[in-house]
Amino acid sequence: ETAVFQTPNYHVTQVGNEVSFNCKQTLGHDTMYWYKQDSKKLLKIMFSYNNKQLIVNETVPRRFSPQSSDKAHLNLRIKSVEPEDSAVYLCASSLFSAETLYFGSGTRLTVL
Amino acid sequence: GDKVKQSPSALSLQEGTNSALRCNFSIAATTVQWFLQNPRGSLINLFYLVPGTKENGRLKSTFNSKESYSTLHIRDAQLEDSGTYFCAAEAPGKLTFGDGTVLTVKP
Repeated sequence: ETAVFQTPNYHVTQVGNEVSFNCKQTLGHDTMYWYKQDSKKLLKIMFSYNNKQLIVNETVPRRFSPQSSDKAHLNLRIKSVEPEDSAVYLCASSLFSAETLYFGSGTRLTVL
Repeated sequence: GDKVKQSPSALSLQEGTNSALRCNFSIAATTVQWFLQNPRGSLINLFYLVPGTKENGRLKSTFNSKESYSTLHIRDAQLEDSGTYFCAAEAPGKLTFGDGTVLTVKP
């Protein structure tokens, strides 16, 4: 049963372009996240966000920014993509922080 | 990562056999989650644990906070159990993932 929806599934773009990925959750959760999964399948938190606080992983380059219109949506914008941004980007949500995580199916980004 | 160490890194099982995956922590974990990433890439939550044991069908997981480890036992492995298993440990304010165990179940 899918309750965290990500679009697009795949995106191929060129260095320097801007991209934006969408995420929506229908679970009524308060906290949403973006994770990056690299080619070795390592999962790294990028952002966590609830309606009160944005927490940024300090290793995330500034060209990445989360955008939220309400607690059910958390989009990810990359201002000027670079080759090392090629990865799978996974959105997740939880009722509160430190609760069970529910993941979307991911967006695979390829930067040429 | 180093703070959450999973073992083994890869495992091959015959269908119908049992096995255990392990997660060791070098952080003071308060909760643990286990996930299965299937071949299509979806991450499915298997367990959310406070210290103790939970069971769901052929899966059983234990979290021992005093000795800083968690285990995931798979009984009667099936082909659909193949994928990458991740554990993730919560220390206050941060969830840290292990590097995963790649499980292949063979007929």
